[in-house]
Amino acid sequence: AQSVAQPEDQVNVAEGNPLTVKCTYSVSGNPYLFWYVQYPNRGLQFLLKYITGDNLVKGSYGFEAEFNKSQTSFHLKKPSALVSDSALYFCAVRDEGRGTYKYIFGTGTRLKVLA
Amino acid sequence: KAGVTQTPRYLIKTRGQQVTLSCSPISGHRSVSWYQQTPGQGLQFLFEYFSETQRNKGNFPGRFSGRQFSNSRSEMNVSTLELGDSALYLCASGPGTAGELFFGEGSRLTVL
Repeated sequence: AQSVAQPEDQVNVAEGNPLTVKCTYSVSGNPYLFWYVQYPNRGLQFLLKYITGDNLVKGSYGFEAEFNKSQTSFHLKKPSALVSDSALYFCAVRDEGRGTYKYIFGTGTRLKVLA
Repeated sequence: KAGVTQTPRYLIKTRGQQVTLSCSPISGHRSVSWYQQTPGQGLQFLFEYFSETQRNKGNFPGRFSGRQFSNSRSEMNVSTLELGDSALYLCASGPGTAGELFFGEGSRLTVL
């Protein structure tokens, strides 16, 4: 069965420093991977996805993610963090079961950017 | 283009009651999914509908049900509410293929 893991409940980073939010996955075939962000009392907003192609994926708000097949990872990165990036981040993988269109989410990582 | 709209945004119920939540997807999207979000369990998949047919169902008891109408709008119903049903219920729409989901703001249900 497909799964994703976000090993860190919280990540603290100083404003202006690079940030990384980790995600590892387990799939039986080709992975369809996603990152979403959630601000307090809001729904999830799509940041970026990897379906196929270039291993470095660029997304919204200056975020990017690197797909690493050998390490089964899809870490989210940003070169310079902003205080406004503070939010809850979810990694997700699309379940590939036959006729299945459900997405499995990680447990989320709370990012705190300190001024 | 209007986003995914969920109503109501907030509601309070008591144990044993039932609740109906509504979701209007982005125009042109035929797939609607529902997720339950709680602090302890994270995001749990409830069900997904495509063209009025339930394609997938998560591991929730039969008290949780849903449907989709011909205009793609969807409703989910929870009967005989329990305290543990308190959660943020998120609706997401998509074209029904492998792409990303577009989420609504959620309906926050509190069961007393």
